[in-house]
Amino acid sequence: EIVLTQSPGTLSLSPGQRATLSCRASQIVSSNYLAWYQHKRGQAPRLLIYGAFRRATGIPDRFSGSGSGTDFTLTISLEPEDCAVYYCQQYGSSPLTFGGGTKVEIK
Amino acid sequence: QVQLQESGPGLVKPSETLSLTCVVSGYSISSGYYWGWIRQAPGKGLEWIGSMYYSGSGNTHYNPSLKSRGTISVDTSKNQVSLKLRSVTAADTAMYWCVRYGPNYYGSGSHIELWGHGILVTVSS
Repeated sequence: EIVLTQSPGTLSLSPGQRATLSCRASQIVSSNYLAWYQHKRGQAPRLLIYGAFRRATGIPDRFSGSGSGTDFTLTISLEPEDCAVYYCQQYGSSPLTFGGGTKVEIK
Repeated sequence: QVQLQESGPGLVKPSETLSLTCVVSGYSISSGYYWGWIRQAPGKGLEWIGSMYYSGSGNTHYNPSLKSRGTISVDTSKNQVSLKLRSVTAADTAMYWCVRYGPNYYGSGSHIELWGHGILVTVSS
């Protein structure tokens, strides 16, 4: 199975700053089938990005995804409401797997 | 607005069967999509449990890590998705989410378009 490693574990930044979250796969993710999710405490997780760079419906353009192969990045131009844990997920091969998450804190 | 709401016992005894139901509102399951479950044990990462096409028909996929203990079913008449996990142990203690996958489910799977709020299930005697 493909293991996804997210870094850093925690990111603490101020509003207006740019957060760069990394997701590295142990093998090439087929067809760049890589998604990103935002999970706020007490809420349902929310799809942000799929297909490595496609924004989901209703997601503002301050969230952007990039990368290919084994290295993927989620970039966020931070707003105060972006405090959450962010997960990557690959669906290029079975079983579907997730990264361990990056916690984003807003100063 | 499509909503997924999980329900079931919050406490299950070891060796018994965990049974969860997810009622879908705002969308008819019989219209399409794959549906399924994801879980997260305390302090652990997200784990894919499995997925099932709305029509069933053998289009069901499970994580091999479950060792064939899991069964996902879809009841289009009740517009709900169910999960049964047999022979549970403390390792099955987790938050369980009902999910709807994206519109294009490839052979390996899909991204997850919608999540329920989740239900915490504890396995303990």
